[in-house]
Amino acid sequence: EIVLTQSPGTLSLSPGERATLSCRASQSVGSNYLAWLQQKPGQAPRLLIYVASSRATGIPDRFSGSGSGTDFTLTISRLEPDDFAVYYCHQYFTSPWTFGQGTKVEIK
Amino acid sequence: VQLVESGGGLVPPGGSLRLSCAASGFTFPTYWMTWVRQAPGKGLDFVANIKPDGSDKYYVDSVKGRFTISRDNAKNSLYLQMHSLGAEDTAIYYCVRGVSDWGQGTLVTVSS
Repeated sequence: EIVLTQSPGTLSLSPGERATLSCRASQSVGSNYLAWLQQKPGQAPRLLIYVASSRATGIPDRFSGSGSGTDFTLTISRLEPDDFAVYYCHQYFTSPWTFGQGTKVEIK
Repeated sequence: VQLVESGGGLVPPGGSLRLSCAASGFTFPTYWMTWVRQAPGKGLDFVANIKPDGSDKYYVDSVKGRFTISRDNAKNSLYLQMHSLGAEDTAIYYCVRGVSDWGQGTLVTVSS
């Protein structure tokens, strides 16, 4: 099973600032089958990024993903009020799928 | 794309429940389908997934032998039969298409 470790656990930032979220895998994620999800309170997760760097339909270009192998990053270039949420990385290369424990981006 | 889960509710420890997911807006028989759960205040956990034709299924170790994932491609529906439920199974259960689309979830509460 691929274990995903996200850091930091919480990120306290102000609107307009840049957010950098990290996801490290215990073994290489083949084909870069790594996604990033956003979840707001009381809502289902929403796909932001798939295959490490492709934005899902309708996702603003302030969200970008990068990385390969075992190290991946989600960057939000300039935080908007709607971006404060919990973000999960998620590998779907092998079953069982696994998820990181989440990074909460909160308003400073 | 629409995924609508149903079948959740309150069940006593040791009980059983069958979840359903009604899919629409896409060609259901061509997609892997997955159940993911989220315990209250916790992160996301894979439960099980199933190949488009139903020939392969995968489960997280904690539910093997207790849960069964299945699908009916003629009815565009996904199912999760759950037996021997325990408090640790209390969660919102989400139906997921591929990796991209999530239903709103159905809450399963295991309690006496």
